[in-house]
Amino acid sequence: SYELTQPPSVSVSPGQTVRITCSGDALPKHYAYWYQQKPGQAPVLVIHKDSERPSGIPERFSGSSSGTTVTLTVSGVQAEDEADYYCQSADNSGSSWVFGGGTKLTVL
Amino acid sequence: QLQLQESGPGLVKPSETLSLTCTVSGGSISSISYYWGWIRQPPGKGLEWIGSIYYNGSTDYNPSLKSRVTISVDTSKNQFSLKLTSVTAADTAVYYCATQNWAYGMDVWGQGTTVTVSS
Repeated sequence: SYELTQPPSVSVSPGQTVRITCSGDALPKHYAYWYQQKPGQAPVLVIHKDSERPSGIPERFSGSSSGTTVTLTVSGVQAEDEADYYCQSADNSGSSWVFGGGTKLTVL
Repeated sequence: QLQLQESGPGLVKPSETLSLTCTVSGGSISSISYYWGWIRQPPGKGLEWIGSIYYNGSTDYNPSLKSRVTISVDTSKNQFSLKLTSVTAADTAVYYCATQNWAYGMDVWGQGTTVTVSS
């Protein structure tokens, strides 16, 4: 079955920039989406269509795509950004959606 | 503003069928803009997409769960439902319902409901 691969964890100091990658063979074919999830809460969409930011999401969140890898960048990280981040996309057929394994962002 | 709310038993016995309902408010489930999806998250683990349904009944399922999953829609009640058969402890999770479309991914989520499989 199709998989999206993320690093399990990343850490960053406040005010710095962090990048979280997500790799999958079908990413050139379908949009990717990114979600932020804090403990005990439902996920929140932070990036859609690879690089677009929903209303209400801070400008420090951005997304990009290159070949089979998509990247979530958080610039000027704040303590409140500490959370799990998941990428999502679809398999080659487009009929099955998949989440990456998630990346835990720790703010030092 | 679109809102989703999951409901159903919090405890299911092994080998039985898990049944959950998602009620949509603030909009119509017959909207052509959305598919309606189910996602789950076992304790301490990541998100797993279970499947989705369109208002006309067209469905897509996670291949790893396809043999046990049925998602249905009731447009008269503005609800869609999940049935998962032959459950085991591995199906213990928080179950979420959410909107799904190609433009916005899953941008509206329910609060989630915890289902425990135990005798």
